[in-house]
Order: sequence, then structure tokens, then C-alpha cells
Amino acid sequence: QLQLQESGPGLVKPSETLSLTCTVSHDSIESGPYSWGWIRQPPGKGLEWIATIYYGDTTYYNPSLKSRITINVDTSKNQYSLNLSSVTAADTAVYQCARGYCRGSSCPTVYFDSWGQGTLVTVSS
Amino acid sequence: AIRMTQSPSSLSASAGDRVTITCRASQDISDFLAWYQQKPGEAPKLLIYIASILQSGVPSRFSGSGSGTDFTLTISYLQSEDFATYYCQQYYSYPLTFGGGTKVEIK
Repeated sequence: QLQLQESGPGLVKPSETLSLTCTVSHDSIESGPYSWGWIRQPPGKGLEWIATIYYGDTTYYNPSLKSRITINVDTSKNQYSLNLSSVTAADTAVYQCARGYCRGSSCPTVYFDSWGQGTLVTVSS
Repeated sequence: AIRMTQSPSSLSASAGDRVTITCRASQDISDFLAWYQQKPGEAPKLLIYIASILQSGVPSRFSGSGSGTDFTLTISYLQSEDFATYYCQQYYSYPLTFGGGTKVEIK
């Protein structure tokens, strides 16, 4: 059964770069019709989609974060990563990685059929 | 961006009740809508996609309907394990957007 696990520092200083990795187990990150995404949830608030990447490096970013986001796939490690630069307290959230499913005429947009547990990242000095 | 509006934001119900949650899109999204359930401290779980198709393993007391701009999630007979927060998500276009959530609490 597919497993996703986020990893990265739980505390990041303001103005620095938040870096997270999602390790995919029991499935290849190269398999289609899947994509790999990041979603975040500020404490006590709702879900915000951050970015999605397909194997082959096609990427989609939330316009509200686009200037600060980099997302990459490392097929040799079956991982993908998120970098969010110039963070502020507003970026404090639980960050979750999730597998996106691209179905037929809806492609390339996706819904998320499998999620990691999430990791809390706090931005504070 | 397409705005997704859920109502109510919270509700109180008893086990055995029938519960309906509404999600409205700011523009026509066809049937490109998914529903998720999230319990405290857990990751969201996909319940429904294409507005009405039940994800494998999801109990049949959950159902979804709608197309265009108006959608509903119905829990026909609320069970204790269904007390959670529910989110809708449109995947008609990027950026993907979620509703604000509906918290289903025990009356």
C-alpha cells in the first residue's frame, strides 16, 4: 500500500527557506497517471494547495506562492521536495504531501487519493 | 481562482442522523469535485471524486451529488466515527481550491 512521509525541520526562521521532502514507498514516483503535490493547513484553518509536479517535471504552482516555490522530483530516491523561500509567520502550517490522480478529461488537474501524515512547520525566530 | 464555499461551517448532529453538507463553486466546474474527511491530527481521506463516485473502501452511507456549481455530501446514517471535518475540492482548473470545511460535531 502506498505510503508518503514528509520530513524536514520543524522550525524555520523568518526570511529563510523552508525545505521539505516527501518519501514515496510501495509505488514508483514515475508511475502514471499520478502526480505529486503539496498542501498546507495553518493551525485551526482549512486546506491550501501549494503545488503539483508530474514526473517529467511539469509543474503547477499556486499563484499566491509561485514566486517563492520550487518543487522537484528525485526519481533515484523516489522522493520529491518543496522549497518555500522568504518565509514569514503566515507560512506556519502543517505541510502535507499527497498523490494526485489525473483522470481522463480532468487532466492535468487532480484530486488527492493518498496523503502523508503531515509535518508541522513553525516560522519563528 | 475558483472559490469554493461550504455550508454550514459547523453542525451538531446525533448518531443515526442524516447529514447534508453543501459546497458551491464560484463558476461551473462540471463534476470535477472531490470530498475529503479529516479527523483531528490525521491526514485528509478521500471520500468521493467526480462529485458522486465513492472511493474504494468508503462506506455506502456516504454519497455525493451535484454538477455545475452546486454539490452536496450526504451521510445517510451518521456513525460515531463520522464526526470529523469535511472539505470539498475542485479540480476543474488550477489553482486547485478547497472549501473552508464543515465540522460535524456530536450533539
